[in-house]
Formats: sequence, structure tokens, C-alpha cells
Amino acid sequence: GAVVSQHPSRVICKSGTSVKIECRSLDFQATTMFWYRQFPKQSLMLMATSNEGSKATYEQGVEKDKFLINHASLTLSTLTVTSAHPEDSSFYICSARAGWNEQFFGPGTRLTVL
Amino acid sequence: AQKVTQAQTEISVVEKEDVTLDCVYETRDTTYYLFWYKQPPSGELVFLIRRNSFDEQNEISGRYSWNFQKSTSSFNFTITASQVVDSAVYFCALSGTSGGSNYKLTFGKGTLLTVNP
Repeated sequence: GAVVSQHPSRVICKSGTSVKIECRSLDFQATTMFWYRQFPKQSLMLMATSNEGSKATYEQGVEKDKFLINHASLTLSTLTVTSAHPEDSSFYICSARAGWNEQFFGPGTRLTVL
Repeated sequence: AQKVTQAQTEISVVEKEDVTLDCVYETRDTTYYLFWYKQPPSGELVFLIRRNSFDEQNEISGRYSWNFQKSTSSFNFTITASQVVDSAVYFCALSGTSGGSNYKLTFGKGTLLTVNP
């Protein structure tokens, strides 16, 4: 199956700093990538849909200025958590769509904000 | 709006028991996809199955089987002869079938399955 990578896998940062998470489709081109957030012992919640070359579509309640998404190429989407605070600590997972609704998930990034 | 309900929050079984995880969904779409994913403690989602709404055939893959009942909007997952390695959180999910953002997945809250030796 297709492979999606995320970098970094784990990051710890101080409150007020910005953190960038990369999501790459390694062996296929993805016109659409999705960003999900998962709090401990909870389900995955979609944050935004990222389309190559256009602005991301954010879900209701997700702050666009806080969670900046860029999908500059068919193999890379980035999520930047700006001015991170402890409540942003979470597990962030991306997925990339290939072909006809085949979605492949990255391994996730665990963000801890001190 | 789409909704997926996994009423079982946690299930605990003894190895070799059969276990069924329930999933009930709601959608206004006439065509849609249903999925099951496994999330072990490592956190990475493992794809198990995708089912198109017009394909109501049940499926079996090794110890796994899925029962899709469109009439009751259910897509249940059964593990036969469970093993300790099956311990994980299992998510049922639903997506549309057309348009970029329609492919987004709506997840249930997940069922934590613990298989004890």
C-alpha cells in the first residue's frame, strides 16, 4: 500500500512557540490531504481539508490563524501550530487521498506544549 | 450531517473468544463508504476494510468478518478466536463519495478491545 510519513513523530515545545508538522506522500501524488487531531482516549476529529494549490477548508471551530495549513505540492502538506499553548497538546494525524477515496494515514505526531 | 456511533466504549474478552464490535451510522448521502480502522498503542491507524454502500455483501478476511446491514444502518465487525495482539482501539468511520472534502472521514468514538491471555 501507499506510504504517508509525518515529521516529526514527537515534539515538545514551550508555550508561545510555533511548531511545523510535515505530511508527505512517499510513493503517490495526493491532491487532497486531511489533518486530524486526537486527544487522549478520544476519537479523531477532522481539523481541515488541504487541497494542493488552494486554501485549506477548515472545520467549524478550528481557528485558521492558529493552525496554518499549506499544501504546496502534490506530495507535501504542512500544519503549523502558531503560538502553541498547553491546550494544543494532542496527537496530530494526517491522511492523503490517492485515487478513488483511498486514504492513507501517517503515523501521527505527538505534540506536547509545556 | 454524518454521524457514527460506537456504543461499546470498552470490551474485555479472554483469548480465543469471539467478539463483535458494533457500528451504527447516519448519513443523508445515497452513496457512501464505511471503514474500520485499528489503532494499537503506538497510535498509527491501520486500515482494515472499506465498504461501498451499494455493496451489502458480507466479507471475511481470516479471523475478521464484517456484517453490513443497510436496513439498520449498521456495519459490525467480528473477530473470531481473538488473540492478545488484537488488543487495540477500533474505529468505525464514514465518508461521502464525491468531491474533495466529501471524502473526509467521520469517525466513531472508538471501542477499546482488550484481549486477556
